[in-house]
Amino acid sequence: GAGVSQSPRYKVAKRGQDVALRCDPISGHVSLFWYQQALGQGPEFLTYFQNEAQLDKSGLPSDRFFAERPEGSVSTLKIQRTQQEDSAVYLCASSLRPSVWNEQFFGPGTRLTVL
Amino acid sequence: AQSVAQPEDQVNVAEGNPLTVKCTYSVSGNPYLFWYVQYPNRGLQFLLKYITGDNLVKGSYGFEAEFNKSQTSFHLKKPSALVSDSALYFCAAGGATNKLIFGTGTLLAVQP
Repeated sequence: GAGVSQSPRYKVAKRGQDVALRCDPISGHVSLFWYQQALGQGPEFLTYFQNEAQLDKSGLPSDRFFAERPEGSVSTLKIQRTQQEDSAVYLCASSLRPSVWNEQFFGPGTRLTVL
Repeated sequence: AQSVAQPEDQVNVAEGNPLTVKCTYSVSGNPYLFWYVQYPNRGLQFLLKYITGDNLVKGSYGFEAEFNKSQTSFHLKKPSALVSDSALYFCAAGGATNKLIFGTGTLLAVQP
C-alpha cells in the first residue's frame, strides 16, 4: 500500500510569499504530525492532529504558520509571508492509533527554500 | 527542558564488526524512546521503541537498543554491521508532553 506522500517535494518561494504544503497520510491513520527539519538537525515538532482535531500546536514558530486537517485525512501546512529562516525540510508523519507513542510513518518531506 | 543528545556526528565501523550508536535523553515523566533511520532521499523509518518492560528492545534489521534508566541512555546496537546499514540514525524521546524530541542524528558509515 502507499505510504505517506507529500507535495510538492521542492518549493522555492520569494520572501513574503505564502506557501501551502500538502500531506497525504496513510489511509485510516488517526494521528498526523508535522515537523520542521533544518539542515544538519533532527526534526522539530510543529503540530499534532488526532483526526480533524488539532490537539497540540505549541511547536508552530509563529502565527505565520497554520495547519489544518479538515476531514481528518489530508493535511495542509500553510506559511504566510515566508522568511528566509523558514527554509527547511517539512516532514509529515502519520500513525495508526491516537497515542503519540506509536510508530510514526514519515513522508519524504517538502524542501522549502525562501530566497 | 527536554532534550536528546547524540554525541557522535559520525560512527565508522568495518563490515562484520559490532556497532553502537549512542543516545542520551532528558525528559519529564516516564521516557518513551525511539530509533529511526533515514536513507538518502527517503523518509525516516522506524527501527524500534521502548515504552515499558524489558530494558533490551529488539527491532528491525537485527538492531537492538538497551534502555538504561540510571544513565538516561538508549544506545543502538547491532552485533554484526552490514554495508547496507550505512545511513543517518536518529534517536527520539518523549515524556509527559505529546512531543517527540529528536537528536541531531548520527551518520553510520560501514566500510566493506
